[in-house]
Amino acid sequence: DGGITQSPKYLFRKEGQNVTLSCEQNLNHDAMYWYRQDPGQGLRLIYYSQIVNDFQKGDIAEGYSVSREKKESFPLTVTSAQKNPTAFYLCASIEGNNSPLHFGNGTRLTVT
Amino acid sequence: GQSLEQPSEVTAVEGAIVQINCTYQTSGFYGLSWYQQHDGGAPTFLSYNGLDGLEETGRFSSFLSRSDSYGYLLLQELQMKDSASYFCASPMDSNYQLIWGAGTKLIIKP
Repeated sequence: DGGITQSPKYLFRKEGQNVTLSCEQNLNHDAMYWYRQDPGQGLRLIYYSQIVNDFQKGDIAEGYSVSREKKESFPLTVTSAQKNPTAFYLCASIEGNNSPLHFGNGTRLTVT
Repeated sequence: GQSLEQPSEVTAVEGAIVQINCTYQTSGFYGLSWYQQHDGGAPTFLSYNGLDGLEETGRFSSFLSRSDSYGYLLLQELQMKDSASYFCASPMDSNYQLIWGAGTKLIIKP
């Protein structure tokens, strides 16, 4: 079955360390997204990519970086510059405009 | 600015009907979607309204009125498993970006 795989499910890091969250999809979707969700809040867009080798900043891109070297993969790096990195991170993809977003199961990052 | 407003919490009784509202302010309008998210899980798509009217999918229905900048999600025959957060979302423009409401936590009592 096609889907989006995020790994790991839980991630623990010390403050000051960069960490990369994996997102892989086999849905053949062009567009992919990274969202951040804090407890009791909605989704906020970090970065999105509509096509390979191209990506745009979302509302809260500061302290994050991405790459899109392959259609299937859209990894997110949380850098030490991100002031409050502890959150639930969700990767998603979409087939086309007004199509449903397909989400991975998320990565819960805790930085201490 | 562009925004979607929805109540933070709604409480209902098992077996009843509940309506979750979403009002929006967007510079353009490209439809309204609804997603369900259980605690600790990922959002899953429920429905989409591109035009005015009611869309029905089993126990769930979604309604849109573009003239009122308003939509709602209607859940019938509530079951305990429907306890979740529900989000409305809308494309910002003709590209693939969505703006999201803050979510409505649905609490179902026996």
